[in-house]
Amino acid sequence: RKEVEQDPGPFNVPEGATVAFNCTYSNSASQSFFWYRQDCRKEPKLLMSVYSSGNEDGRFTAQLNRASQYISLLIRDSKLSDSATYLCVVNYFGNEKLTFGTGTRLTIIP
Amino acid sequence: GAVVSQHPSRVICKSGTSVKIECRSLDFQATTMFWYRQFPKQSLMLMATSNEGSKATYEQGVEKDKFLINHASLTLSTLTVTSAHPEDSSFYICSARRTSEYNEQFFGPGTRLTVL
Repeated sequence: RKEVEQDPGPFNVPEGATVAFNCTYSNSASQSFFWYRQDCRKEPKLLMSVYSSGNEDGRFTAQLNRASQYISLLIRDSKLSDSATYLCVVNYFGNEKLTFGTGTRLTIIP
Repeated sequence: GAVVSQHPSRVICKSGTSVKIECRSLDFQATTMFWYRQFPKQSLMLMATSNEGSKATYEQGVEKDKFLINHASLTLSTLTVTSAHPEDSSFYICSARRTSEYNEQFFGPGTRLTVL
């Protein structure tokens, strides 16, 4: 079983719709959680850190469920510019390394 | 977010040559930097952790003598691919860890290496 699992997609969603991704992690010692986005042939860029209480940044909402060991990302009123691969990333307590999911490919359709 | 630069952005070289890639944190000090490699349609794979003033820690399967890492200052880490071969062609990305409650990592723009 992979340490961080994501549905690879692709998700093809009409502009303006709401889309949600889930990600599960296997190590209960996980401490920090992040969503990154990566555009084709570009580096990953930090979208948001995921806080225990959940957090919202504009159209983006992230949630953490430690009991079930998953995190989610909700995108409302999707824009064409949201088309990208979304990477679920986990950091374990006492370990500096990040563990990446394989990413979920999202395409927003006009 | 914090800014990390990487140079060069693209390099094409002949088989057998060595290529040096620089990674700089521009607006914060990074005691720890990371080097990743990404093949097409695959996820990032961590190659090594670079610690300022000490030896890098390599992931299993990564040859330390082939991928030389130097982290001479709090803002600069370099990766040298020695005796490059076509199978080393890939997208190499560095990241720098900013010390905070969440220890976010910020990525450089990447270096696309093509070995002929």
